[in-house]
Amino acid sequence: EAGVTQFPSHSVIEKGQTVTLRCDPISGHDNLYWYRRVMGKEIKFLLHFVKESKQDESGMPNNRFLAERTGGTYSTLKVQPAELEDSGVYFCASSLSGGAGYEQYFGPGTRLTVT
Amino acid sequence: AQRVTQPEKLLSVFKGAPVELKCNYSYSGSPELFWYVQYSRQRLQLLLRHISRESIKGFTADLNKGETSFHLKKPFAQEEDSAMYYCALSNYGQNFVFGPGTRLSVLP
Repeated sequence: EAGVTQFPSHSVIEKGQTVTLRCDPISGHDNLYWYRRVMGKEIKFLLHFVKESKQDESGMPNNRFLAERTGGTYSTLKVQPAELEDSGVYFCASSLSGGAGYEQYFGPGTRLTVT
Repeated sequence: AQRVTQPEKLLSVFKGAPVELKCNYSYSGSPELFWYVQYSRQRLQLLLRHISRESIKGFTADLNKGETSFHLKKPFAQEEDSAMYYCALSNYGQNFVFGPGTRLSVLP
């Protein structure tokens, strides 16, 4: 079974440009999460989709970040316009629904560098 | 506010020595606690969770609600245990909060 995949693995853009990150969850996983780890800081929750609906987007830092999950399959996270402080590693994770003890399966992450 | 703390950024032990990675949390309610591990050049993966009360790769963790702790322990560390370890909590699949992580280095 394929795990969670993320594209690209690494992106280098200039301040002010736009970048779109993609996450493909494990097939059948209704829950999809986005996280990011800024250099030297902890992994921070950004948002949580259940199918195509945003369950919780309380972690989104500002309105320059836009996440979508059309059709409840893959998700994209767009940063527009990118700022220097957006540099970091963006992780995606997915999990099944139902029951306690949601095990999240993580993707390899996308390293974003804003220069 | 929900918070997870891991006081040690780096923990070095010799092979065969016991290891304990500390984790404390603050949460209003009864969260689920997890330990995630990231080995070199691999993705983050679940190591264990408190509700399953299992031992994975020789590691155990007991939830102490009185001390709000979920320390990770292993009686005899192995070199292959060297990795980044993250303690995390959630409210039944929501509101995940990760600690800053502890890098465990097991020396030969």
